[in-house]
Amino acid sequence: EAQVTQNPRYLITVTGKKLTVTCSQNMNHEYMSWYRQDPGLGLRQIYYSMNVEVTDKGDVPEGYKVSRKEKRNFPLILESPSPNQTSLYFCASRNSRNTIYFGEGSWLTVV
Amino acid sequence: RKEVEQDPGPFNVPEGATVAFNCTYSNSASQSFFWYRQDCRKEPKLLMSVYSSGNEDGRFTAQLNRASQYISLLIRDSKLSDSATYLCAVNDNNDMRFGAGTRLTVKP
Repeated sequence: EAQVTQNPRYLITVTGKKLTVTCSQNMNHEYMSWYRQDPGLGLRQIYYSMNVEVTDKGDVPEGYKVSRKEKRNFPLILESPSPNQTSLYFCASRNSRNTIYFGEGSWLTVV
Repeated sequence: RKEVEQDPGPFNVPEGATVAFNCTYSNSASQSFFWYRQDCRKEPKLLMSVYSSGNEDGRFTAQLNRASQYISLLIRDSKLSDSATYLCAVNDNNDMRFGAGTRLTVKP
C-alpha cells in the first residue's frame, strides 16, 4: 500500500529538548516536504526536498532542520524546541503529477 | 494579501443542498490546482485536480477561472459524509501552497 509514515504521532516534550520526527515514503517519490498546520493559518511549508541531498527552506523554516540522505526518508529535526512550535506536523511526498500524499500527522506539544 | 485565500466558513447546509466554495490565488503564473479534503484530526487527501476546462467527478465539480484567479468546488446533493474541511492548493514553480480551508457541515 502506497503510504507516507511518520513517527511519533503524538509527543509532549519540554522546551530545549532536541527531537526528531521521522518520515518515510514507499512510493519512490523524489519530492518530499514538511508542513505545519495551525488554526486559521492553514498548512505552511517548513522545508522541502527535490531529491537526495537537496533540501530547501519553505515559508517557516526557523527552528527546524531536515536531512535527505536516502530517497525514502526525510526526518524533521527540532534542535531546541520552543512552545511556539506546538503544532500539527505533516510529512508529504509528491508524484510527477503534483499529487501530494500526506502522512497521518504528528501532534507535537512543547511545554 | 495571502497567496491562497479561502472563506473559512463554516458552511452549515442541509442534506441534499448544493454548496459552492471559492478559492482565490495571487500568482497569475500558477500552474496547477487542486482540492483536498481534510477530516477532523486527519491528514488532507486529494479530492480532485482542477483542469482548465473544468472537471466533474460524481457530485463534485471543479472549475478554474484564470482571468479572475480563482478556483471553485461545487458539491451537489450534499451527504452527511461530505462534512469536512476543504483545502484548495495551488502549485507555483514546484511550491505547493494551500489555503487555510473551508469547513463544511452537512446536517440531517
